[in-house]
Parts: sequence; C-alpha cells; structure tokens
Amino acid sequence: KNQVEQSPQSLIILEGKNCTLQCNYTVSPFSNLRWYKQDTGRGPVSLTIMTFSENTKSNGRYTATLDADTKQSSLHITASQLSDSASYICVVSGSGGSYIPTFGRGTSLIVHP
Amino acid sequence: NAGVTQTPKFQVLKTGQSMTLQCAQDMNHNSMYWYRQDPGMGLRLIYYSASEGTTDKGEVPNGYNVSRLNKREFSLRLESAAPSQTSVYFCASSDPQGFGENNGYTFGSGTRLTVV
Repeated sequence: KNQVEQSPQSLIILEGKNCTLQCNYTVSPFSNLRWYKQDTGRGPVSLTIMTFSENTKSNGRYTATLDADTKQSSLHITASQLSDSASYICVVSGSGGSYIPTFGRGTSLIVHP
Repeated sequence: NAGVTQTPKFQVLKTGQSMTLQCAQDMNHNSMYWYRQDPGMGLRLIYYSASEGTTDKGEVPNGYNVSRLNKREFSLRLESAAPSQTSVYFCASSDPQGFGENNGYTFGSGTRLTVV
C-alpha cells in the first residue's frame, strides 16, 4: 500500500529561525512529489513539485530536496516569518495505474514572534 | 478570479438530515475531487470524477454520493447525515486527467460541516 509519512507532526519555532520538515514515502513507481502549504481555514496551495531527476528546488525561502533512492524528501524554510505558520503537506504521485496521489498527514508549523 | 468555488462555507445539520455540497471550477479542468479533512487524519479522498460523465469511489465513499453535473460542477451529497461526517470538506480540480508533472490540484476554500 502506498504511504506517505511526515515528521514531525508539529513544530514550534521562533521567528527568524530555520526549520526542516521531513517526508518519507513508499509510493512506487514514483512520478512526482509536491509540497503544499495549508493556512488555517483555507485549502492547500502548491509550493513546489519535484520529479525523479530533481534533487533540489526552491521557491523563495522554501527549498525542497528529494532523494529518490531512499524515498525521502525534505522542506527547508529559511528565516521563518509569522506567515509561515501553517500545515505543510507532502503529496506523492505514482506513475502508471491509478493517478490518484497519496497525501501525508501534514506537519503543523507554528512560528512565534 | 479563476479557481474552485465551494458552497456553503459553513453548515450545521441534525443527524438524519440531507444536504448537498456544491463545487464549481472555472479553469476548464477535466478532473474533480472531493476530500474530507479530519484532525490528525490528513486529506482523504471520498469520490473523484476523472472526466465529465464519470465518477469513482475513493478511500472513504460510504455515506456519500456525487454528481458530475457538467465539466464545471461536481456536487457531494449526504443523504442521511451522521455525526461521523463532521469534517471539513474540500473540492479540488486538476488538468490534464490526473496529477501530472506540470499540474497539481487547485483546492477550494473548504466547507466546514458539523452534524449534531
């Protein structure tokens, strides 16, 4: 069964600090991995997408990495801001067969002033 | 603004009542989806429609029905609401069919449903 596990479940950091969120998956064969940001009371919004051949991708202060061999991804947030407080969801799609992606349960990030 | 529009945003139902959640997208996407999100459970797929005229069950379809009214609209119906259906419901769309490299979901802002 395809699974996506995220850690930590929740994280509290001070404004200006960096943090890294983790995502491990078992989806195979692999197609792509996305990180979504979900603000409280809103729908998720895509931050980055990575395919098999990509190791790193940045979107402003967000940098995602992918190790397709170990089936691990991370999302690094630099110089955190209060607006980064949200849930971050890792979503993995497989190739062939069902195209429905597998969602992780998310990491809840709280940034304190 | 282009996107996915869900109505209503909030709803309280009594056990046994029925209701329909509406979803419309104006991005000409082929595929549409209904998810529910519960604390600690993440997003779980209820039903999806790969294209106009087709619907399929997702991970948690029991107690729900859907209608793909046309390419733009995909509704979710609770025939007899139960407290276990208290959740936040998200509609999403994508194009082309599936979740390809250059496409991802566009989500609506959600419907918060409470069944008492």
